Amino acid sequence: DAGVIQSPRHEVTEMGQEVTLRCKLISGHNSLFWYRQTMMRGLELLIYFNNNVPIDDSGMPEDRFSAKMPNASFSTLKIQPSEPRDSAVYFCASSLELGISADTQYFGPGTRLTVL
Amino acid sequence: DAKTTQPPSMDCAEGRAANLPCNHSTISGNEYVYWYRQIHSQGPQYIIHGLKNNETNEMASLIITEDRKSSTLILPHATLRDTAVYYCIVRGGSSNTGKLIFGQGTTLQVKP
Repeated sequence: DAGVIQSPRHEVTEMGQEVTLRCKLISGHNSLFWYRQTMMRGLELLIYFNNNVPIDDSGMPEDRFSAKMPNASFSTLKIQPSEPRDSAVYFCASSLELGISADTQYFGPGTRLTVL
Repeated sequence: DAKTTQPPSMDCAEGRAANLPCNHSTISGNEYVYWYRQIHSQGPQYIIHGLKNNETNEMASLIITEDRKSSTLILPHATLRDTAVYYCIVRGGSSNTGKLIFGQGTTLQVKP
């Protein structure tokens, strides 16, 4: 298995532009997590899905951020409009299932976003 | 999920065992202890997890105290490639939501 795939790996954009980050889950996994990492705040959970349904989006910073799962194996995280403070590394992770006591999350390589 | 406390940094000589401690004094009976690590510029990587018993896999060993209030991750023969930030996370139990809450972790520097 190729593992969790994220694209693009690097994105540089200007303030005000729309940014779309993409994530492909590991085949057979039903849960999807989006994280953001900055020096100041560390690794933060933004939102997670189970069986394509958003379960908890309390970590999404504001309405400029939105995430979707158009199908069981793919997710997008969109920022519109982007701001310099959105600059960070964005990771997605997948796991087999929620609701079990022991489940492992597998992380992608991340997308490094720079908003100028 | 219970909170964890880890030292901010540790050094280890290459080839020696690295012992990374974690305190989780408020852990509840059905919560698991997970360890992840993050090598520079990469995504976090799962290492091992356990509930009560000690666990071992190809990467590491996890020793959990009998009262479950602390644990130690052991890398038996540390290499330079083991230099990373190591995160100890407690999760699961009756309120299990699948969330991983990352703290600041321990930065392990393996030196030649």
